[in-house]
Amino acid sequence: AQKITQTQPGMFVQEKEAVTLDCTYDTSDQSYGLFWYKQPSSGEMIFLIYQGSYDEQNATEGRYSLNFQKARKSANLVISASQLGDSAMYFCAMRGMARRDSWGKLQFGAGTQVVVTP
Amino acid sequence: EAQVTQNPRYLITVTGKKLTVTCSQNMNHEYMSWYRQDPGLGLRQIYYSMNVEVTDKGDVPEGYKVSRKEKRNFPLILESPSPNQTSLYFCASSLAGGPTDTQYFGPGTRLTVL
Repeated sequence: AQKITQTQPGMFVQEKEAVTLDCTYDTSDQSYGLFWYKQPSSGEMIFLIYQGSYDEQNATEGRYSLNFQKARKSANLVISASQLGDSAMYFCAMRGMARRDSWGKLQFGAGTQVVVTP
Repeated sequence: EAQVTQNPRYLITVTGKKLTVTCSQNMNHEYMSWYRQDPGLGLRQIYYSMNVEVTDKGDVPEGYKVSRKEKRNFPLILESPSPNQTSLYFCASSLAGGPTDTQYFGPGTRLTVL
């Protein structure tokens, strides 16, 4: 079975600093995708960044980068130069392929609440 | 604008009163899914659909029904809601169900069952 673990329930970060959100995963699939979503207090789920299991380079999208360490099964999100608008809940998620009951399903972690302070 | 829409956004109801939450996407996506979000548990999949007339159970299907008669619509039906179904519900869609396919989420429906 697939499992996503986010060990940081919450964290404070000062504006303009970088922050790393931890995510580890467990899967027996060879082909899988890793995703990060942001959920602000308004509730919507905003897609941030994607990393494929066969991608050799770490994904980057603007101020977001994904530190992918396949052997350690970790996919940490790095937000550079934090802004007040980055305050939100952040979810790590994984999508596998090998088994029918995992096909298509996004498996989510419990989330990390980030508060950016001035 | 490419989007996933859900209605209603907020709903308060009573135990046993049947309700439907609608979901529609305009991206011609094949794969659609329903999730519920509860504190400390992240999002859990309720049902998913790989295409018209093809649906299957997710992790927490009890108490829910779905149908996929048209590609763009994927309603969630609660035949007899109970208080433990009070939650935040999300509909999501993606081009297909593969590991590289990003799921896009609707705005969420906050349901309270009294």
